Amino acid sequence: YMLTQPHSVSETPGKTVTISCTRSSGSIDDNFVHWYQQRPGSSPTIVIFEDRQRPSGVPDRFSGSIDRSSNSASLTISGLKAEDGADYYCQSYYSSNVVIFGGGTKLTVL
Amino acid sequence: EVQLVESGGGLVRPGGSLRLSCAASGFTFGDYWMHWVRQIAGKGLLWVARINRDGTGTSYADSVRGRFTISRDNAKNILYLQLSSLRDEDTAVYYCARWPVGTKDYGLDVWGQGTTVSVSS
Repeated sequence: YMLTQPHSVSETPGKTVTISCTRSSGSIDDNFVHWYQQRPGSSPTIVIFEDRQRPSGVPDRFSGSIDRSSNSASLTISGLKAEDGADYYCQSYYSSNVVIFGGGTKLTVL
Repeated sequence: EVQLVESGGGLVRPGGSLRLSCAASGFTFGDYWMHWVRQIAGKGLLWVARINRDGTGTSYADSVRGRFTISRDNAKNILYLQLSSLRDEDTAVYYCARWPVGTKDYGLDVWGQGTTVSVSS
């Protein structure tokens, strides 16, 4: 199956943005979804695990959710800051422990 | 400090081979499953392979199965990726990443800085 993300999103500082990740087949809650942030020139870092959990050190401005009706997961960033500008990737699994990534979304903070 | 440091990347001709290494420090390496993920310049993340804690179980992406081999040496705290029959489309930055499998799924929680593989004649 595939995980489809919007190619890009943009918003102004202080606002809220949501990035979607739609699963093409199977149910979005068949497997956990994780989210990664990748700033330019850096390695990815995890910002959400198990659909909605935040690792220690990740601001509570970052939140994750699952919507069964649209078969998608979402990453929401509130109170946008310039430093949030980055690429964001969703990740899930098939066949238990084979990893699949979404295509990535470029977030521009205007 | 928990750290993963990749090495071994370089320029190689199509059909050639290369072995990547990922040195782990700051944690008990043998307690974690490990993954390799690659990224073509300007493109997204692509999963390559994973290995379980003791090295007895591996999985590969269809695009590399039969050409790449993931392995580990828990005594030396090193993860490997042997790349063979390399193609132009294998050109990418290769990352190793840690996967804490247990009662919770923390995702790929630690990543290395990446090592660049360039396949060109």
